[in-house]
Amino acid sequence: DTAVSQTPKYLVTQMGNDKSIKCEQNLGHDTMYWYKQDSKKFLKIMFSYNNKELIINETVPNRFSPKSPDKAHLNLHINSLELGDSAVYFCASSQQTGEKLFFGSGTQLSVL
Amino acid sequence: SQQGEEDPQALSIQEGENATMNCSYKTSINNLQWYRQNSGRGLVHLILIRSNEREKHSGRLRVTLDTSKKSSSLLITASRAADTASYFCAQIVGSNYKLTFGKGTLLTVNP
Repeated sequence: DTAVSQTPKYLVTQMGNDKSIKCEQNLGHDTMYWYKQDSKKFLKIMFSYNNKELIINETVPNRFSPKSPDKAHLNLHINSLELGDSAVYFCASSQQTGEKLFFGSGTQLSVL
Repeated sequence: SQQGEEDPQALSIQEGENATMNCSYKTSINNLQWYRQNSGRGLVHLILIRSNEREKHSGRLRVTLDTSKKSSSLLITASRAADTASYFCAQIVGSNYKLTFGKGTLLTVNP
């Protein structure tokens, strides 16, 4: 069973569109995250939720909106996609904040 | 802002050799973690070392931590072609326990 699963794996879309990436973890973890990895492999945290409460909200355009319907899910919605949004987005979870992270396999977003 | 930095950026060795990667960071830490990322995959956690620990082992992996120098090293002994991957160190920064990653070391193990 996949511990942290995110869909879709690939997302190709036009500028200006709105898209969502879904993430689910079956580990019973309290904390979930979204990270963005750019073309130079630099990983930057975007958001973190603990028990459905937003605890980290980095300097991210407000076109990005996370939604956590329950502890096991953290979705990422992106409005008005721009070329610079092209990257790989990773969902992750941990038992507690600050402990080891379990990552999903990533969603490669390409904005044309 | 970036907290840690790995060195070297890229490392190429022969199978069977040892590989050492270093990580330096800027502020006090709660713990330091090492992750591996194979091409096109998500990151996989390798080792977590706490600020009051100096050394930790896991199989062929050995991690050291020197808080006075704000540095850590990851040693992979008897490397294999399957160890080819990018290796990242990460530290907890701030009171909200944000895990911040460095830019990684790309390790290539040649058969």
